Amino acid sequence: EAQVTQNPRYLITVTGKKLTVTCSQNMNHEYMSWYRQDPGLGLRQIYYSMNVEVTDKGDVPEGYKVSRKEKRNFPLILESPSPNQTSLYFCASSPPGQGILDTDTQYFGPGTRLTVL
Amino acid sequence: AQSVAQPEDQVNVAEGNPLTVKCTYSVSGNPYLFWYVQYPNRGLQFLLKYITGDNLVKGSYGFEAEFNKSQTSFHLKKPSALVSDSALYFCAVRFYTGTYKYIFGTGTRLKVLA
Repeated sequence: EAQVTQNPRYLITVTGKKLTVTCSQNMNHEYMSWYRQDPGLGLRQIYYSMNVEVTDKGDVPEGYKVSRKEKRNFPLILESPSPNQTSLYFCASSPPGQGILDTDTQYFGPGTRLTVL
Repeated sequence: AQSVAQPEDQVNVAEGNPLTVKCTYSVSGNPYLFWYVQYPNRGLQFLLKYITGDNLVKGSYGFEAEFNKSQTSFHLKKPSALVSDSALYFCAVRFYTGTYKYIFGTGTRLKVLA
């Protein structure tokens, strides 16, 4: 089954304790992205990756890191989590679009609910 | 600045009645436009998209959306609402600004009343 998976689905942690949320897709998509969802703010893009070893900042990258060493995986790293990073996080991937470096419909993972105390 | 607006936080409609969820956008160029639906404790599911061509786009679960270039709108519609349509709906835009980027609206909660 074509899908985007995320782990863990739920995580409660404390301020300053490094954590990683994994994301994996089995659709051979080049484009992958991380979002956070907060009430009243919708989805905001954290980081995205056009391909292996190519990553770029989205709209709210502060406090986050990513890496893209393999095409299928795009982990989100919080080096020193803070309470304002408590949120619902989604990973997404997209197949190529019609043009060079183009993208298309994004397919989303099930989400990771993170609470930072 | 590029933006997507969903002016209604919540829309209530009676089952069997037509529904409309509004979306307007402000981006340069010729964007791709999307609608996604989110059910409780689930990820976002793709409903439909507009790239080019016919302004009326049909998607999953009987939903459709009308692209209006002059009003920069992409409203989601369904002729007859079901209770099971109750969910959170997001409008999204993909545009080019040196690289391809996506922005999402803040979401509209649809409540279909039996």
